[in-house]
Amino acid sequence: EVQLVQSGAEVKKPGQSLKISCKGSGYSFTTNWIGWVRQMPEKGLEWMGIIYPGDSDTRYSPSFQGQVTISADKSISTAYLQWSSLRASDTAMYYCVRGWGGDYWGPGTLVTVSS
Amino acid sequence: DIVMTQTPLSSPVTLGQPASISCRSSESLVHSDGDTYLSWLQQRPGQPPRLLIYKISNRFSGIPDRFSGSGAGTDFTLKISRVEAEDVGVYYCMQGTQFPHTFGGGTKVEIK
Repeated sequence: EVQLVQSGAEVKKPGQSLKISCKGSGYSFTTNWIGWVRQMPEKGLEWMGIIYPGDSDTRYSPSFQGQVTISADKSISTAYLQWSSLRASDTAMYYCVRGWGGDYWGPGTLVTVSS
Repeated sequence: DIVMTQTPLSSPVTLGQPASISCRSSESLVHSDGDTYLSWLQQRPGQPPRLLIYKISNRFSGIPDRFSGSGAGTDFTLKISRVEAEDVGVYYCMQGTQFPHTFGGGTKVEIK
């Protein structure tokens, strides 16, 4: 059974750094893309970027380029999304998604940034 | 980026009646490999999205056959043949033909 397990909810202050995770199981982690999708409160879905864990080929949506960093550690089947300096506007639910077409979705990690 | 436009924004439906959602892309979604990477997702209240349909008309594993997708080029449709209570939620189309992937704005399906 394919599973994507995401790290727990986070509450941070503006300017702080953060790294959230997504662990894949039940499939070949290295040969499937993992994407990240943002959903701001009461809003729609936005594709942030995607990584191929096999060779770490990473692509970013222009809207998110330079704002976040996507990485993966294939030895532990885990992908990451990180910020070096959070802003209040980063408050959102973040989903990891398997595959270029997004066939399986993680449960989401709620990130709240507030002073 | 390819812009995906969904209509209607909201669709009140009587239980057991059909529902239809349209999605239009700002340019053709036919990939150079010949496939069309248009998907439909369902997001129930308080849940993550889940894949219903991929490549226009292919139902994903475990999806009931009351869900069907059709279309070509820039115009696509999701149909629910007989709406059930568990179908309440927001439906999104998504294109994966050109990076970055983009989503429609969503259509809320609710029971009258």
